[in-house]
Amino acid sequence: TQLLEQSPQFLSIQEGENLTVYCNSSSVFSSLQWYRQEPGEGPVLLVTVVTGGEVKKLKRLTFQFGDARKDSSLHITAAQPGDTGLYLCAGALVSKGSNYKLTFGKGTLLTVNP
Amino acid sequence: DTAVSQTPKYLVTQMGNDKSIKCEQNLGHDTMYWYKQDSKKFLKIMFSYNNKELIINETVPNRFSPKSPDKAHLNLHINSLELGDSAVYFCASSQDRTPLGNTEAFFGQGTRLTVV
Repeated sequence: TQLLEQSPQFLSIQEGENLTVYCNSSSVFSSLQWYRQEPGEGPVLLVTVVTGGEVKKLKRLTFQFGDARKDSSLHITAAQPGDTGLYLCAGALVSKGSNYKLTFGKGTLLTVNP
Repeated sequence: DTAVSQTPKYLVTQMGNDKSIKCEQNLGHDTMYWYKQDSKKFLKIMFSYNNKELIINETVPNRFSPKSPDKAHLNLHINSLELGDSAVYFCASSQDRTPLGNTEAFFGQGTRLTVV
């Protein structure tokens, strides 16, 4: 059973288009993070959202955490070829006392064509 | 200086062999992780160590044995390698084991393991 469902799994769009990636779960997370991974590299953190309903903006990227802290979305405005990559959401769940475990979704592979 | 470094970057080996992957972080973090990323890009946690203590041990075959000589190092030893072990293995570290809300995981560049 996949704890975090990401959709779509693949997305190929033209430069200038807008897109939204979704991350859904039945679990409540302490926080939720979005990472971007480029080929041959490890994932790199884009943003962390903590409060239900929180919205964060990073240039053309807008991240939203659901009110119930079970889901999140990433919206990219006017996508550029440089946005191409694998986008991963990750939820932090408390595990074994005060420890937390970061669980990743399967990722959305985004290709922005010039 | 690379924050989280893993060696080797590529590893090709035959079935049945034993191999190790090393990881070091110079960020002063308390917690280190091993993740496995399969061919479909699914990133799954394997182990988590906090100050050399095993915190998380997911359902991983006991052929995989992590070793943390100090909190800056977390190595992964794999015995009797199988074809299904082929994947990219990522080491990561973070500042604290508690969900502070802004705890970021820093990843190494990955080790692409190919078992033939």
